[in-house]
Amino acid sequence: AQSVAQPEDQVNVAEGNPLTVKCTYSVSGNPYLFWYVQYPNRGLQFLLKYITGDNLVKGSYGFEAEFNKSQTSFHLKKPSALVSDSALYFCAVSPRGYGNKLVFGAGTILRVKS
Amino acid sequence: KAGVTQTPRYLIKTRGQQVTLSCSPISGHRSVSWYQQTPGQGLQFLFEYFSETQRNKGNFPGRFSGRQFSNSRSEMNVSTLELGDSALYLCASSLSPSGGPNTGELFFGEGSRLTVL
Repeated sequence: AQSVAQPEDQVNVAEGNPLTVKCTYSVSGNPYLFWYVQYPNRGLQFLLKYITGDNLVKGSYGFEAEFNKSQTSFHLKKPSALVSDSALYFCAVSPRGYGNKLVFGAGTILRVKS
Repeated sequence: KAGVTQTPRYLIKTRGQQVTLSCSPISGHRSVSWYQQTPGQGLQFLFEYFSETQRNKGNFPGRFSGRQFSNSRSEMNVSTLELGDSALYLCASSLSPSGGPNTGELFFGEGSRLTVL
């Protein structure tokens, strides 16, 4: 069975500092990996995904994620945080062939303070 | 371009009743997926439809069902409602079905919030 762990319920970072939101996964085979963001009173939005190839994936709003197969991790990163990045972030995984059947982590609240 | 539209946005039902939720995908999107979001269980996959066929199904009881119409609009139905069915039901559309080039790139609606009393 597939599973996703987001070990931090909340991450606090000062505006302008780099941010990292952690994600580890468990899935058989080579997975598809995703990050989604949920802003208050708005729907979930796709940020980025890893399918294959370069371990560093770039996505929307300046976010990127690093795939590490040996550590089964897919951490979300941004070099310089903005207050507007404050939101709920979800990591998700799906086995190959079931790409739209996502297994989501519990989510991490990101708070960026000015 | 209009986003994913879900109706109704809010509804209150009592135990034992049934409910039907509707989803209109983004124009041109033929894949529709449904997810349940609750504080305790988080986001859980219900089912995926593409070209009026159910492609994938999550681990929910048979009380949860869905369908997709020829215009890609989708409905989900929950029969014999239980208190634990109270949740935000999210619909998501995608250009591709699972395994396609845009796999996993889902566009979510704002959801239908169901309260079961």
